[in-house]
Amino acid sequence: AQTVTQSQPEMSVQEAETVTLSCTYDTSESDYYLFWYKQPPSRQMILVIRQEAYKQQNATENRFSVNFQKAAKSFSLKISDSQLGDAAMYFCAYRWSGGSNYKLTFGKGTLLTVNP
Amino acid sequence: NAGVTQTPKFRILKIGQSMTLQCTQDMNHNYMYWYRQDPGMGLKLIYYSVGAGITDKGEVPNGYNVSRSTTEDFPLRLELAAPSQTSVYFCASSYPPGGDYGYTFGSGTRLTVV
Repeated sequence: AQTVTQSQPEMSVQEAETVTLSCTYDTSESDYYLFWYKQPPSRQMILVIRQEAYKQQNATENRFSVNFQKAAKSFSLKISDSQLGDAAMYFCAYRWSGGSNYKLTFGKGTLLTVNP
Repeated sequence: NAGVTQTPKFRILKIGQSMTLQCTQDMNHNYMYWYRQDPGMGLKLIYYSVGAGITDKGEVPNGYNVSRSTTEDFPLRLELAAPSQTSVYFCASSYPPGGDYGYTFGSGTRLTVV
């Protein structure tokens, strides 16, 4: 069974600085997708960024980028120029490309605090 | 706005009571899911559906039931509520057009069983 591990329950960063959130996963599959979701205090789950395992290039969305290391099964999220609105719980998630149900497996989350 | 709508947003149940959490999406997504989120535990899959009339169990289905009579609706039924079912429940949907764009989530239902 696939598992997703986020080893940092909490992280903090100063406004305008950069922070990296860690995620590792365990799978025997070669084709899959990885995601980072943001959950602010409003509770809404918001997709931040996605990565396709067959692509070597790391995904980037504005201030958010990932460091995808397939051999190491690592998928970290870098937030540059951190803003107060980035404060949230961040979840890493995995989905196998095969099968027919498109289930996501989530990590336990990392709570990010942004200090002014 | 298009999306996934969950009702109610909050609910307090007494032990042994039953209730249905409603979920509706207007994006014509085939795939729908119910997750529960417990503090420090991430999200766990309860049930999912790949289309109208087709449902299947996820990781933590005990104590729950679902139905999918239409593409739009995917209600979650709690029978004989127990304190262990105190959680935040999320409904989500997805459409896989050969790629994968993640889920669209509802805003969640916070359920407390006392």
